[in-house]
Amino acid sequence: SQQGEEDPQALSIQEGENATMNCSYKTSINNLQWYRQNSGRGLVHLILIRSNEREKHSGRLRVTLDTSKKSSSLLITASRAADTASYFCATQRLDGNKLVFGAGTILRVKS
Amino acid sequence: GAGVSQTPSNKVTEKGKYVELRCDPISGHTALYWYRQSLGQGPEFLIYFQGTGAADDSGLPNDRFFAVRPEGSVSTLKIQRTERGDSAVYLCASSFLRDQETQYFGPGTRLLVL
Repeated sequence: SQQGEEDPQALSIQEGENATMNCSYKTSINNLQWYRQNSGRGLVHLILIRSNEREKHSGRLRVTLDTSKKSSSLLITASRAADTASYFCATQRLDGNKLVFGAGTILRVKS
Repeated sequence: GAGVSQTPSNKVTEKGKYVELRCDPISGHTALYWYRQSLGQGPEFLIYFQGTGAADDSGLPNDRFFAVRPEGSVSTLKIQRTERGDSAVYLCASSFLRDQETQYFGPGTRLLVL
């Protein structure tokens, strides 16, 4: 079963604007990861943040983690049309390797 | 090198039939995972192999679903007596023994049960 929630469910922005997506989860975790999916097929790993980290950057991506609130956010700065995709957060527990995914946010970047 | 590959890309079958979905992981990856993604949802975990053995099969929905990995490389997901509710994209992922936090996903098999 899906563990958490993501919001918004869908987001439409203009090229150059920033996009923020949020994710909440329910159990204790070892890490939280963000993935991108184009056209409903393969997932691409974007960034991983561990439970003892609060913020991480990778290029135009910034992810935050608040373990007290069991939530995370993904910020994509200076968005491009090519960023149009579905974005999923996924958590991984310390005692297991499986990923538990949220329902995802559909991002559309208009050029 | 080559990524995770899955065959077939698409499979259409009739209710009640048996199907097999194949996954070729990245060479040298010891861990292999199967997930199922229904339309508009995130992937849901099915089963995880470490080598040849199933380390966690808690996500398999019922006994119609079975997966094998006899030589610790290629895996086959088998679905018996398919039902319309089995229609989904079946995703396979693999990871390296020393970095099991990062999973590399294949393109998926889209299964449609009529």
